[in-house]
Amino acid sequence: GNSVTQMEGPVTLSEEAFLTINCTYTATGYPSLFWYVQYPGEGLQLLLKATKADDKGSNKGFEATYRKETTSFHLEKGSVQVSDSAVYFCARGAGANNLFFGTGTRLTVIP
Amino acid sequence: DTAVSQTPKYLVTQMGNDKSIKCEQNLGHDTMYWYKQDSKKFLKIMFSYNNKELIINETVPNRFSPKSPDKAHLNLHINSLELGDSAVYFCASSQQGLAAFFGQGTRLTVV
Repeated sequence: GNSVTQMEGPVTLSEEAFLTINCTYTATGYPSLFWYVQYPGEGLQLLLKATKADDKGSNKGFEATYRKETTSFHLEKGSVQVSDSAVYFCARGAGANNLFFGTGTRLTVIP
Repeated sequence: DTAVSQTPKYLVTQMGNDKSIKCEQNLGHDTMYWYKQDSKKFLKIMFSYNNKELIINETVPNRFSPKSPDKAHLNLHINSLELGDSAVYFCASSQQGLAAFFGQGTRLTVV
């Protein structure tokens, strides 16, 4: 079954609004967790990651904290820009050879 | 200097044809993947190879056959193409469970 669940989109926000995209996972142990971003017409790019509990990944104003108590890795940004419009994917590692992705959340930021 | 490159970027073909998509990575990674992204942006793993050996083979029709001549290459061959095969196919590579690097994607359209 799907071991990464993220909030369904699409999400539409005004510029400078606060963003949260929820992500929860199921796993035995403590897998590495990732957020990927896909800009229109491009491939996926790593946005940020956390490899152990309580770690906070951050990049380009985005943050996500690895919460083992709630098995969550929610993505947040304090003030979104139009250029943040993209599809965001939460993912978790599975062993040394696999990544499980969530279904993606489309974010549209309007001026 | 592209880390993960896949060709072609666009592929339009008729039903029933056989086609291949090539992928190469110059990162020295041991693991390579093929993912399929449908029109709703859902991303699903198809195959994972580690050091030229098949590790993961999700529920994919056997018309899809990956070939890994060496650990830097993972090509995807598709026989008897169907309309439902239309999607964007992403190649990726990773090393020991670290974040995956993705290619730019190949948009396959079957007409």
